[in-house]
Amino acid sequence: GAVVSQHPSWVICKSGTSVKIECRSLDFQATTMFWYRQFPKQSLMLMATSNEGSKATYEQGVEKDKFLINHASLTLSTLTVTSAHPEDSSFYICSATPPPGTEGSNYGYTFGSGTRLTVV
Amino acid sequence: AQRVTQPEKLLSVFKGAPVELKCNYSYSGSPELFWYVQYSRQRLQLLLRHISRESIKGFTADLNKGETSFHLKKPFAQEEDSAMYYCASSRGSTLGRLYFGRGTQLTVWP
Repeated sequence: GAVVSQHPSWVICKSGTSVKIECRSLDFQATTMFWYRQFPKQSLMLMATSNEGSKATYEQGVEKDKFLINHASLTLSTLTVTSAHPEDSSFYICSATPPPGTEGSNYGYTFGSGTRLTVV
Repeated sequence: AQRVTQPEKLLSVFKGAPVELKCNYSYSGSPELFWYVQYSRQRLQLLLRHISRESIKGFTADLNKGETSFHLKKPFAQEEDSAMYYCASSRGSTLGRLYFGRGTQLTVWP
């Protein structure tokens, strides 16, 4: 089935630094990937839609200059949290799905294992 | 805006008892509804989608447009069903943009 790999699984960084999180589709090409954020004991909140070869689409209230998304290839999307602050500490999850009609597409959206970001 | 409501944050049942996890959505169009499950220390994975009308691990969910509900049901709960369950909706025209409910933590006692 479709597999989405996310790296790193956890990261601790100092306030003011930037952190890059990678999301890879391992056995399929994904023109679109999605980034979510999950606070402790809360639901997943969609942050943005990552589009291969074009600008990401951000959900209302999400700062695009804070959360930079790059989708340079059909198998990789990156989320960079710039000038991170403690309030950016969260669990970030990406998802993708194979194109309709291809193998694995009937299984819906596959999620990465998530990245736990802690800003100190 | 789409909204998915899961009224129960926690739900506990005994093994063998029926279980129903409630989900209501608010969207006037034709959303696509999903149930995702997250077992302890594992990633989120798809359990059911309403268009497939499948029964997975004994779970079923019927879309009730009149009540705007998509409740998840299982007649006989098992201990291994203990997990976090998320209901999610996606508008058909924007595949992949999922809007999640807050989740229901199901605990099945032996």
